[in-house]
Formats: sequence, structure tokens, C-alpha cells
Amino acid sequence: DADVTQTPRNRITKTGKRIMLECSQTKGHDRMYWYRQDPGLGLRLIYYSFDVKDINKGEISDGYSVSRQAQAKFSLSLESAIPNQTALYFCATSDSRGAFFGQGTRLTVV
Amino acid sequence: GQQLNQSPQSMFIQEGEDVSMNCTSSSIFNTWLWYKQDPGEGPVLLIALYKAGELTSNGRLTAQFGITRKDSFLNISASIPSDVGIYFCAGQRDSGYALNFGKGTSLLVTP
Repeated sequence: DADVTQTPRNRITKTGKRIMLECSQTKGHDRMYWYRQDPGLGLRLIYYSFDVKDINKGEISDGYSVSRQAQAKFSLSLESAIPNQTALYFCATSDSRGAFFGQGTRLTVV
Repeated sequence: GQQLNQSPQSMFIQEGEDVSMNCTSSSIFNTWLWYKQDPGEGPVLLIALYKAGELTSNGRLTAQFGITRKDSFLNISASIPSDVGIYFCAGQRDSGYALNFGKGTSLLVTP
């Protein structure tokens, strides 16, 4: 089983819909992250959490919200999806050795 | 967050050639990491560097933590077709900060 699991792996949704992307981890890490990947732009940080009571905005948090339900769970929500939120989304966890990624969620907003 | 400049943006090489890529930052980092992403997958950690001047190898891969703490280098020797992918550098200022990623180097290797 993967240490960092994202669901769903693929999703197509309509403009204006609310959508939640979920992430769970079995690594026991306190730190969790959501990144967005677009071609040529690399990985951009949306939100991160250093423990259950800690939530921080990243460089592109507008239009997104997160919830840290437990140490192992960190979900990303798009309250009202728009087409330019079409991208590949990655959840990650980290410890002192580095960050470890899920397999990604490909989201298409039509 | 701190900006990381990764170069080159892409490389197209023949099997057997050596590859070099680098990452520079406007700020000092205390940790440098190098990742590889295969198509349709999440990035996978290749090498982690924790000390200025550190040189670390992982098979045919060698990475260095620059002594200024503002740069890092990754070298791949004797490239093979399965080296194809996107390579990302990442830096972290200290444990109180999130990782910052470069924009990636896309590597293509022809047999």
C-alpha cells in the first residue's frame, strides 16, 4: 500500500461545483502539504500544515481551503471550481529526511 | 516563498552521456533535496543534502550542497533511457518553513 494515498486519482467537474480532494498517510508525519502542478510551472504550494492545529497558506491559496481532520488526513477543497484550477494536485508529507508524495489527482474543470 | 531557479529547463541527450543540472536560490537554505517524477506519478526523493559542501551519491546520481548554501547541483553519469523524467530541486530554509520547489528539468534520453 502507498504511504501517501490521494483520492480520487482523476476527476472531471463542472464550473461552480464544490469539490474535495482527500489525502491520507501512514507515515506518521506531522507535516502535510498540498501542491499544484502545471506544465512549465513546477510544484506550487497551496496550503501546508505542521500539525493538526496548524494551517498555513502557501503561495497560491486563493480559491482553495483545507481541513486537517487528523494527523493522517489532510483534505483540499475547491469551494467553487473554475477552469483555471484544472491541474495535477499532489499531497505530500514530510519529516527531517524530506517530503514524500502521493500519486496525484488529475482535476479537470469544464 | 523563496524563489528557486532551476536550469536547464529541458535536456535532450543520447544514452551514455553525462547530465548536469543545477538550482540556485536568492536565500540561504539548510536542506536541499532532489526529486524525480515519472509520467503519471508523484515525485520521488532521490538525494537529500543537509550540510553545506556535502557531496552525496545514489548510484549514478551525485548531488552537491553548495558552500554558499544558495545552490545545489545534480549530476547523472552514463545516462540510460529510464532516466527520462522531470527532475526537481527543493530547498528548505529550516524546519519551520515549507519546502520550495524549482520548476523542474525535463530530461529526454535517446537510445
